[in-house]
Amino acid sequence: GAGVSQSPRYKVAKRGQDVALRCDPISGHVSLFWYQQALGQGPEFLTYFQNEAQLDKSGLPSDRFFAERPEGSVSTLKIQRTQQEDSAVYLCASSLAGRGLFTGELFFGEGSRLTVL
Amino acid sequence: RKEVEQDPGPFNVPEGATVAFNCTYSNSASQSFFWYRQDCRKEPKLLMSVYSSGNEDGRFTAQLNRASQYISLLIRDSKLSDSATYLCVVTSLIQGAQKLVFGQGTRLTINP
Repeated sequence: GAGVSQSPRYKVAKRGQDVALRCDPISGHVSLFWYQQALGQGPEFLTYFQNEAQLDKSGLPSDRFFAERPEGSVSTLKIQRTQQEDSAVYLCASSLAGRGLFTGELFFGEGSRLTVL
Repeated sequence: RKEVEQDPGPFNVPEGATVAFNCTYSNSASQSFFWYRQDCRKEPKLLMSVYSSGNEDGRFTAQLNRASQYISLLIRDSKLSDSATYLCVVTSLIQGAQKLVFGQGTRLTINP
């Protein structure tokens, strides 16, 4: 498809389980962002990639969170030893522009809704 | 204090009314400003950019006040389809990398 694709759309995990969330950005988009959105809150920044380089991971809440984009296209967000507070919607967004040229239009995927029991 | 703050609402207004939201930001080095719209259980989508001179797109008007560090969105002649959460977004360039910060959103419901 032409948009940002995320999978799985819904994930239920038991506390302590590892999860992997996938993002397939729009083809050719240089910038890729991961956000975490809790119920009733705005998206909170997690990490940013420009092509395969992870330029900013300041928003990752703990070392249980890890993201990669090895070939500058598909990205995976991995959460190890999930906790109940990790329950949220994880949004991926991409943008055509790279460093310093951002115009503000992020194209978001529909998100992966994670519930940790 | 959060970097971007919005009144969460909810705002409940009758169809046809005019409604305005404000958003304040704390980083004086912020460069670009936007309003996004998010429908229930959907992803955010860009509504409009916000320029210092103010800009209008149909029934929507956005204003930026750099001195006071706030952004506003005005919706005139509101429609039922305007019901959504409106997210204020502020960007800064930090060490060559874009940082985009979202407010928590203002929920708007237009009533028939």
